Amino acid sequence: NAGVTQTPKFRVLKTGQSMTLLCAQDMNHEYMYWYRQDPGMGLRLIHYSVGEGTTAKGEVPDGYNVSRLKKQNFLLGLESAAPSQTSVYFCASSFGAEQFFGPGTRLTVL
Amino acid sequence: DAKTTQPNSMESNEEEPVHLPCNHSTISGTDYIHWYRQLPSQGPEYVIHGLTSNVNNRMASLAIAEDRKSSTLILHRATLRDAAVYYCILRPPRDTGGFKTIFGAGTRLFVKA
Repeated sequence: NAGVTQTPKFRVLKTGQSMTLLCAQDMNHEYMYWYRQDPGMGLRLIHYSVGEGTTAKGEVPDGYNVSRLKKQNFLLGLESAAPSQTSVYFCASSFGAEQFFGPGTRLTVL
Repeated sequence: DAKTTQPNSMESNEEEPVHLPCNHSTISGTDYIHWYRQLPSQGPEYVIHGLTSNVNNRMASLAIAEDRKSSTLILHRATLRDAAVYYCILRPPRDTGGFKTIFGAGTRLFVKA
């Protein structure tokens, strides 16, 4: 089992560019999450999904969109990147109480 | 949302027990207490969780105060690999918003050889 994987690992964008972060899990989990972590801080929930075809807003959803077309994948999109979106992005999945996290994507917006 | 308070950092010697405290005085009756840790340059990792009773697993023990306003994560024998940021998190049941996990700043644990 690969667990939770994230693509890409690193990315540098210019302000206004768009990109999509991909999260994949092979544990057949219903629930998936996207978080961001800024330096020296804890994680903040951006969006989450309770099943294929459903998504919901988390704590800091502005500037991001998500899609869950397949149960194993959860995509995070930035339509027009801003420097304030420079962060490390973590994806997670869960079935019960325990969330399993991916290794993260480090995004820099210039 | 109920909040948690943790010390910014703690230090321990290798092979000694570590007690990581967490205060959550505004916890509601249905909130679960979860602990995660984050090793350098990695995603968080689940450690343990509980509701009212003390809990043990292969990684750690969780001691919950009788009034549930505080809890303590216990690492029985710290190793260098346990150096990480430890997060104490309150999660309501899923049917009342339990997906919105709120991570604070956590406690950075330093382990000395």
